Amino acid sequence: QTVVTQEPSLTVSPGGTVTLTCAANTGAVTSGYYPNWFQQKPGQAPRALIYSTSNKHSWTPARFSGSLLGGKAVLTLSGVQPEDEAEYYCLLYYGGDQTFGGGTKLTVL
Amino acid sequence: QVQLVQSGAEVKKPGASVKVSCKASGYTFTSYAVHWVRQAPGQRLEWMGWINAGNGNAKYSQKCQGRVTITRDTSANTAYMEVSSLRSEDTAIYYCARGDSRTYIDYWGQGTPVTVSS
Repeated sequence: QTVVTQEPSLTVSPGGTVTLTCAANTGAVTSGYYPNWFQQKPGQAPRALIYSTSNKHSWTPARFSGSLLGGKAVLTLSGVQPEDEAEYYCLLYYGGDQTFGGGTKLTVL
Repeated sequence: QVQLVQSGAEVKKPGASVKVSCKASGYTFTSYAVHWVRQAPGQRLEWMGWINAGNGNAKYSQKCQGRVTITRDTSANTAYMEVSSLRSEDTAIYYCARGDSRTYIDYWGQGTPVTVSS
């Protein structure tokens, strides 16, 4: 069974840049894992941000971007806003199953 | 606009079953997949499975195989997710979401809280 690992928590200053990563115990994450990224705020349903590594949904703010780096999927937030404080989850496809990471709690301070 | 509206909160006893519905609107229901995801209190999101709303084929996670059944009614544009032999560990918010088989999930339902308690 695939285990997907994310940083448990990160802190960033308003206006700064932060990178969240998503790794798999099956090996290097490639485009074939179709990484998705979601944002979830307390008491709310998740909101989709990025799909298939780097594609944005129509509602995704420009400051969010996705990529692959060093065998991991990466979500980069540039020019962080206070409203970006949330939990971020990645989702990977592998062997017919999909698996979420443990989530990264992003604090904007 | 695309909307997924789920049924209301449920309270069940251990050993019972629960069936959650997800009514879709604003798009062609049979052209997309519906995924089911749950989140236990304070825990990570857990992908449970998905159904091809066009042909009705469903795929389940290894953990959910055997106790979870996902179906759909194309005449009602509604997907369903049933969990049988409920345990306290099944207490969670259950979400449906639209997507395809592997590359993306985009729109989400509002979530359905299910509490399993004696």
